[in-house]
Amino acid sequence: GQNIDQPTEMTATEGAIVQINCTYQTSGFNGLFWYQQHAGEAPTFLSYNVLDGLEEKGRFSSFLSRSKGYSYLLLKELQMKDSASYLCAVRDSDYKLSFGAGTTVTVRA
Amino acid sequence: IAGITQAPTSQILAAGRRMTLRCTQDMRHNAMYWYRQDLGLGLRLIHYSNTAGTTGKGEVPDGYSVSRANTDDFPLTLASAVPSQTSVYFCASSTLAGADTQYFGPGTRLTVL
Repeated sequence: GQNIDQPTEMTATEGAIVQINCTYQTSGFNGLFWYQQHAGEAPTFLSYNVLDGLEEKGRFSSFLSRSKGYSYLLLKELQMKDSASYLCAVRDSDYKLSFGAGTTVTVRA
Repeated sequence: IAGITQAPTSQILAAGRRMTLRCTQDMRHNAMYWYRQDLGLGLRLIHYSNTAGTTGKGEVPDGYSVSRANTDDFPLTLASAVPSQTSVYFCASSTLAGADTQYFGPGTRLTVL
């Protein structure tokens, strides 16, 4: 099974940077995903890491360390529209996703 | 527009009633999934289907059943609803059996009284 931990809430100012950490314990690892979910909407795919290192995609970057069971999602140049929940999900050796409870990010002007 | 649709958008249901949540995708994805999302618990996998004609149990399958008669449709049935099944239900799909990004439908908000 999977045990995935991420902070419940974070608050940041418009234009700032926020880092959302995710730690996991897994019986089999086959990739880590980050999803964004606005209130009342479906999760949408943000990023995917399967090898150690940093993946950059515009204002968003995601990092993975498999040996430490650790990932983070970095949101730069925060905008009001970035206020949402961010879900960390680990894929196991059977290709099933297990999700963390999500981190709610509030961006303030 | 390609994507995943779910119906109904929301539903209030009396305990003991039977209910089927519908999910249809037009992306010709092989794999489909049903999740429930509860506050503080995140998304939990109920059932999945790697390809038409096959289904499997996820983390929380009790009280739910699914079928996959064709590629596009993956209905979720609650045979006799109970209040603990009050949740938001999301259907998702991916090109291959998990070896690809999952795309989510808009969700069904179900309340069982």
